[in-house]
Amino acid sequence: DQQVKQNSPSLSVQEGRISILNCDYTNSMFDYFLWYKKYPAEGPTFLISISSIKDKNEDGRFTVFLNKSAKHLSLHIVPSQPGDSAVYFCAANGNNAGNMLTFGGGTRLMVKP
Amino acid sequence: KAGVTQTPRYLIKTRGQQVTLSCSPISGHRSVSWYQQTPGQGLQFLFEYFSETQRNKGNFPGRFSGRQFSNSRSEMNVSTLELGDSALYLCASSASTTNEKLFFGSGTQLSVL
Repeated sequence: DQQVKQNSPSLSVQEGRISILNCDYTNSMFDYFLWYKKYPAEGPTFLISISSIKDKNEDGRFTVFLNKSAKHLSLHIVPSQPGDSAVYFCAANGNNAGNMLTFGGGTRLMVKP
Repeated sequence: KAGVTQTPRYLIKTRGQQVTLSCSPISGHRSVSWYQQTPGQGLQFLFEYFSETQRNKGNFPGRFSGRQFSNSRSEMNVSTLELGDSALYLCASSASTTNEKLFFGSGTQLSVL
């Protein structure tokens, strides 16, 4: 049973436009969510996180939105740059779960110049 | 500050053998987590150690084990290797065990023939 799902395996966006990556979860015990970016042959790199007590968190070009009632979160990248091309993973953590993250399957973002 | 270091980078083993992977966390980080990444199952949590104690364990057979030393360095061991154990094994460290962003190493790519 996949508790965190990223339904779009890939996304292609023009440079300068907005990239929107989506993530759905089923476990209502999740209360902390993170986005990671991964290049081939490297480990994931932390991008941004959000606690369930918030519905939005911004960090530069990256904004994460959380809709708890829909169990949905999204990552917005504005403006998108070719260097943003990578695989993006959303991850969720539950209360008292330590650092046991549940990851989605990833979305490959391609930003075209 | 040096990042998370994993050794070896690549490893080739045959079925039935055992393997030990090593991880040195970021200096000052006391939590070390291990994840397995495969094309079919994505990123899956193996276990987490904090102050030499296993705090959480994922849904993996007992052939997968780990430990953490007093200097926070960690090792994971897989005994009686199976073809399906071929994967990228990622180690991550963090300063604490609650809602902390994880810093990942580049991983050990294990191939079982």
